[in-house]
Amino acid sequence: GIQVEQSPPDLILQEGANSTLRCNFSDSVNNLQWFHQNPWGQLINLFYIPSGTKQNGRLSATTVATERYSLLYISSSQTTDSGVYFCAVGALDDKIIFGKGTRLHILP
Amino acid sequence: DAGITQSPRYKITETGRQVTLMCHQTWSHSYMFWYRQDLGHGLRLIYYSAAADITDKGEVPDGYVVSRSKTENFPLTLESATRSQTSVYFCASSESRSTSQPQHFGDGTRLSIL
Repeated sequence: GIQVEQSPPDLILQEGANSTLRCNFSDSVNNLQWFHQNPWGQLINLFYIPSGTKQNGRLSATTVATERYSLLYISSSQTTDSGVYFCAVGALDDKIIFGKGTRLHILP
Repeated sequence: DAGITQSPRYKITETGRQVTLMCHQTWSHSYMFWYRQDLGHGLRLIYYSAAADITDKGEVPDGYVVSRSKTENFPLTLESATRSQTSVYFCASSESRSTSQPQHFGDGTRLSIL
């Protein structure tokens, strides 16, 4: 099946810094989603982005499907951005596969 | 409130017992999913459903049973709970084909098997 790898596994930043999270996948996919799991465990859908670039406030995402990767950019980090960021790809057989996540910790 | 709700939020039970986790969504989404989240494994798909009375296995279906008699409900049953099934369980739904629409998640059920 499809392999989904996220990097880095852990990231510690000072408030105000920018960051880039990466998601690589091993085969063609129908879609790609980015999720944020906050410290209370809730999973929030950030982007549905099978290709191209989308922006939502301080967050933006780019997926290059032909090269099998996606990037999530966080600018001017805030402590509320802390948590785990997951990438999830939709396989051609209709299954959705999650990466193991990037744990982000923003220091005040 | 509209959305996707899971119950209970927390559950402790004993090995060998049957336990059912409930999931209810008010969007009339066709697709629903059950995942488990464990340290070191991320989220893994247990079962999913494309519509009422249609279910299919995911990555880790052994030990679990699902049903979908109504579009809005997708219960997950552990017929004889084992310690290895201690986990956080998430239910999700999406509007149409699972790989063409974004997923929305419930708040999770934390299940402990003693």
